[in-house]
Amino acid sequence: GAVVSQHPSWVICKSGTSVKIECRSLDFQATTMFWYRQFPKQSLMLMATSNEGSKATYEQGVEKDKFLINHASLTLSTLTVTSAHPEDSSFYICSVLRESYEQYFGPGTRLTVT
Amino acid sequence: EDQVTQSPEALRLQEGESSSLNCSYTVSGLRGLFWYRQDPGKGPEFLFTLYSAGEEKEKERLKATLTKKESFLHITAPKPEDSATYLCAVQAASGSARQLTFGSGTQLTVLP
Repeated sequence: GAVVSQHPSWVICKSGTSVKIECRSLDFQATTMFWYRQFPKQSLMLMATSNEGSKATYEQGVEKDKFLINHASLTLSTLTVTSAHPEDSSFYICSVLRESYEQYFGPGTRLTVT
Repeated sequence: EDQVTQSPEALRLQEGESSSLNCSYTVSGLRGLFWYRQDPGKGPEFLFTLYSAGEEKEKERLKATLTKKESFLHITAPKPEDSATYLCAVQAASGSARQLTFGSGTQLTVLP
């Protein structure tokens, strides 16, 4: 498997501020990580693919200027939600892609924008 | 476009009452089909990967099977701690894409 951590586990911020979420691969050097968001009672929706040393690839409909992704090392990817608004409130989950093409997920970060 | 449909949406079982969850899929060449378990407020936990029709994998009370059109997750003599949402996802073999397409999940409740 793989051990993936996220920080923070939950965060509350005011509308208009920015929030950074960290995703760490603790036991594997991950070239590729993914970022998902999940609304209550719904399944996971892929937001972007994070590639170490290069620009992230965003899914259609995801604003790249609003959701900034930085994959600066093989163990760390960050998602920054800029100028957050209440509609950005959601559960954000990252995953690590292993060489077997299996994805292992972090515990998630609950973002609430007031 | 890859599609994954899971049924039923919700399932309530008595402890010890075996059942199966279904995952139907359409994909342009299957690289792998994945099963995850998700508890409320947590990230998905990896369970199984299936690569080809006829393949089966087991883990404790769970057994996953795969055909060319669907996968089943069989739960034998479930316990209350098996209560969770079970997610199915497929990964297409075409191109360099490694993304997963998820189904909407089956919420399983096992009553003591």
